[in-house]
Amino acid sequence: DIQMTQSPSSLSASVGDRVTITCRASQSISRYLNWYQQKPGKAPRLLIYAASSLQSGVPSRFTGSGSGTDYTLTISSLQPEDFATYYCQQSYSSPWTFGQGTKVEIK
Amino acid sequence: QVQLVQSGAEVKKPGASVKVSCKASGYTFTNYDINWVRQATGQGLEWMGWMNPDSGSTGYAQKFQGRVTMTRNTSVTTAYMELSSLRSEDTAVYYCARSGTQRDGMDVWGQGTTVTVSS
Repeated sequence: DIQMTQSPSSLSASVGDRVTITCRASQSISRYLNWYQQKPGKAPRLLIYAASSLQSGVPSRFTGSGSGTDYTLTISSLQPEDFATYYCQQSYSSPWTFGQGTKVEIK
Repeated sequence: QVQLVQSGAEVKKPGASVKVSCKASGYTFTNYDINWVRQATGQGLEWMGWMNPDSGSTGYAQKFQGRVTMTRNTSVTTAYMELSSLRSEDTAVYYCARSGTQRDGMDVWGQGTTVTVSS
């Protein structure tokens, strides 16, 4: 199975901050990498697919980048509604696997 | 609108089975795969497997092989996930989620179904 490792596990940030979350795969996943946002008690929401494609309806302050084994989710200017847990997920090979999550908290 | 609506919460005893449904609406049911993902309280997301509603083909994570069965009824645009030989570690919220091609990600999610396994 492909292991997905996110860092950091949690972070504290202020509204307006630029936030970067990284995700490393245990082998190359050829940009088959998706990012999700999850708020407490809610289902995950797809933000970015195929490493850098913005899902319809997602604000442009969310950007994804990366290739090979290393990927990044950046929030350019953190908004109050962005405080949540973020997960990366690979769809390169079965079983699809998720990172352990990064919790973004208010500073 | 495009949505997946799941069945209600379940409480089961160890060793029993549970069957969760996921009703699709607002899109052509057979054009997208249905995935099942679970999440134990305070934990991360765990992918269980997928089903192609058109062909009925399935693929399960090794961890669940032999215990999980994913099926569908196209006449009512509903997917099902049955998990057998339940144990306490299966207590979790179970989600169904739609996906298109392998690169598309899971773009529509059900609201989740809480399954509690307790004696």
